[in-house]
Parts: sequence; structure tokens; C-alpha cells
Amino acid sequence: AQSVSQHNHHVILSEAASLELGCNYSYGGTVNLFWYVQYPGQHLQLLLKYFSGDPLVKGIKGFEAEFIKSKFSFNLRKPSVQWSDTAEYFCALRSYNTDKLIFGTGTRLQVFP
Amino acid sequence: DTEVTQTPKHLVMGMTNKKSLKCEQHMGHRAMYWYKQKAKKPPELMFVYSYEKLSINESVPSRFSPECPNSSLLNLHLHALQPEDSALYLCASSHPGTGSGELFFGEGSRLTVL
Repeated sequence: AQSVSQHNHHVILSEAASLELGCNYSYGGTVNLFWYVQYPGQHLQLLLKYFSGDPLVKGIKGFEAEFIKSKFSFNLRKPSVQWSDTAEYFCALRSYNTDKLIFGTGTRLQVFP
Repeated sequence: DTEVTQTPKHLVMGMTNKKSLKCEQHMGHRAMYWYKQKAKKPPELMFVYSYEKLSINESVPSRFSPECPNSSLLNLHLHALQPEDSALYLCASSHPGTGSGELFFGEGSRLTVL
């Protein structure tokens, strides 16, 4: 069975601090991995995605993530957060040959000015 | 703005009512999804349609009945719901099958069952 875990449930940072959100998955086959963001009152938006190739992927708004196959991880990073990054962040997995997208439990990020 | 449109944005219904949620996309996607999201929780998959056929049903109670009339439309028919069914219902679409990319989400329909 596929599963996604996010260990950081609530992260509080000051502006300009660096961010790393953990994501680990469980699945033995080929996966597509995603980070979605949900700003307060808004719809889920894709931050970045990994399908294959370079394990370091860059997304919108200065976010990046690194796929480490040996660790079953896909951590999200940003060198300097802004107040506008306050949102809920979801890691998600889609196994290569299915239509099923599974979400992690989410991490609530609060950034204070 | 999202390219997946959901109506209505808000719905209040009694436990004996019958109502429907609607979803439309014009991106040529042939996979469409319903997710349920409770407050401060991740979206939970309910149904997936692939090429207008139901391909995944995550053991959802029969009081939720999905329908995919064509490749652009997805409905969720609601009947005899319970207060615990109150949630944000999200529609999404994608290309189906192998290596097919991300899901695009609508803004959701917020359902309150009294």
C-alpha cells in the first residue's frame, strides 16, 4: 500500500528564515511526487513535481525539493521564507501506473514578520 | 484562477434533502476526481473516473453517488447525508494513466449538513 508521511505538523518561522519540510513515502515502485500548497481560503496549487531525471526540482515562488530514493524522501526547501508563504503544505504521491494521488497529513506553516 | 470550476461554492442541506455538486474542466483531461477535505486535514480521495468510467471508489457510502456525463463534467449526487459529511468537496482533473502528471484542483464546494 502507498502512504505519505509528513513529520512536521506545525512550523513557525520568522521572515527570512530557511525552511525545510519533511516528506517520506512508502511504495516499492516508481512514483511521481508532488508538493501542493493551500493558502487560507484558496484552492490547492502545485508548487513542484518530480517525475524522473534530476532529483533536485525547482518550483514556483523559490521553492525546491530533493528526491532521495534511498531514503524514500522528498523534502521541500526554501532558503528565505516570506510572510506570504503562510499556508498549509501537502506532500503527495502518485504511483506511476495509477490515477490515485495520495496526500500526506500536511504541514501548517506560519511565518511572522 | 483555477481551470476546474465547481458549483455551488457553498451548500447547506438537511439530512433528507437531495442535492448535487458539479464540476467542469476544459483542459482535455480524461481523469476526474472527487476528494473530501475536513478542516485542518488532507484531502481524502473518494472517486476517480478515467475515460468517463468509474475506476476507483474508496469505499464511499452510497449516499454519495458520482456521475460523469461526459469528459468535461463530473457530478456528485448527495442524498440522506449526515452532519459528519459536512466538509469541503474538491474536484480535480488530470491526464489518466502512466506518468501523467499533476492534478488540477477546483476551489471546492463547502457543504454543511444540518
